[in-house]
Amino acid sequence: SAVISQKPSRDICQRGTSLTIQCQVDSQVTMMFWYRQQPGQSLTLIATANQGSEATYESGFVIDKFPISRPNLTFSTLTVSNMSPEDSSIYLCSVSDGEKLFFGSGTQLSVL
Amino acid sequence: GQQLNQSPQSMFIQEGEDVSMNCTSSSIFNTWLWYKQDPGEGPVLLIALYKAGELTSNGRLTAQFGITRKDSFLNISASIPSDVGIYFCAGPVGTYKYIFGTGTRLKVLA
Repeated sequence: SAVISQKPSRDICQRGTSLTIQCQVDSQVTMMFWYRQQPGQSLTLIATANQGSEATYESGFVIDKFPISRPNLTFSTLTVSNMSPEDSSIYLCSVSDGEKLFFGSGTQLSVL
Repeated sequence: GQQLNQSPQSMFIQEGEDVSMNCTSSSIFNTWLWYKQDPGEGPVLLIALYKAGELTSNGRLTAQFGITRKDSFLNISASIPSDVGIYFCAGPVGTYKYIFGTGTRLKVLA
């Protein structure tokens, strides 16, 4: 399986600011995804990061709040914009090999 | 919409005991994935199931794809303290897209 590295691993941010999370994969992958895990909750898909085109967002998530970049087949970023305490969550990058889904170690975000 | 319900929600067990948990869906799946998440980490894939009735093991873990294709089961034998964590099931809802279960929180008492 691919090795997925996320940075930062955790951060504490002030409300109203933005944070960009980076995801680097050690091999080229077609499908990359971003998930959110709110405290004590399950995982919810934010969007599919498409290489060379705009990300595809799930219901309840919008590009203005969660802009995503996918400049190549090994890298993606997720920005959490204009943060509020409700954005405090674990954000997870994941990749698929077509049959299974693999995750990075996540970014623990706390917004004060 | 679709959702996956996991049972039990949480459990405390004694070290050495066997553990059983399940995941049920309102619709049919053709794949089931089981993950474990440690505190502060991303989920790690434990077992993947692709066929109704399939029984697959990974060390002390055994998972089964229910014959109705609407459920799956995970068993852990002879639990040890490092089995502590949250166990999630997941199933596909489109090309490469997955939904995740509500999770089972396992705590092992030494």
